[in-house]
Amino acid sequence: EDQVTQSPEALRLQEGESSSLNCSYTVSGLRGLFWYRQDPGKGPEFLFTLYSAGEEKEKERLKATLTKKESFLHITAPKPEDSATYLCAGTSGTYKYIFGTGTRLKVLA
Amino acid sequence: DAGVIQSPRHEVTEMGQEVTLRCKPISGHDYLFWYRQTMMRGLELLIYFNNNVPIDDSGMPEDRFSAKMPNASFSTLKIQPSEPRDSAVYFCASSLAGLAGGRMYNEQFFGPGTRLTVL
Repeated sequence: EDQVTQSPEALRLQEGESSSLNCSYTVSGLRGLFWYRQDPGKGPEFLFTLYSAGEEKEKERLKATLTKKESFLHITAPKPEDSATYLCAGTSGTYKYIFGTGTRLKVLA
Repeated sequence: DAGVIQSPRHEVTEMGQEVTLRCKPISGHDYLFWYRQTMMRGLELLIYFNNNVPIDDSGMPEDRFSAKMPNASFSTLKIQPSEPRDSAVYFCASSLAGLAGGRMYNEQFFGPGTRLTVL
């Protein structure tokens, strides 16, 4: 069964303290790995798509990487406004996403 | 573009009542998805449409749930009769799928959601 697992469930960082979020997947024939950001009371906001092992994407303080078994979302020198829940999802190309349960990130000033 | 539009944003109803959630996808998108999000189960795909045709409804929990897409700019998710365990946030998402550089792209863009409370 296709599955996406995220860790940790929650993470508290001091402003400027870099860290990484993990997304492990067992999606047969992975055709895309997606990262989303979700703020309280809002819908998930698209961040990145990764297609193949070794691929990297960057946006401001965020950098997403992909290996054959997992993806990482690296957050460099985070700010309080980076606080949110980060979701990852995988697809085998059927247009169905399998979502993880997310990592709740809190960045303290 | 205004993005995906959902209404109502909040719905409080009593058990047994009919609930209808509405969605307007991004213009030009050919896929539409309905999700349910709860603390316990996270985001679950209920059903998705391609060019207004339902493709996969295997995530619809039971016959009380139904979804329609009468045209490219409107979809509804109906629950009849509603039960307290249906309380959740329901999201609609849309995407434009295709191929570019040999890769399939189908990023989904989500609406703000409808928070449903069934008493």
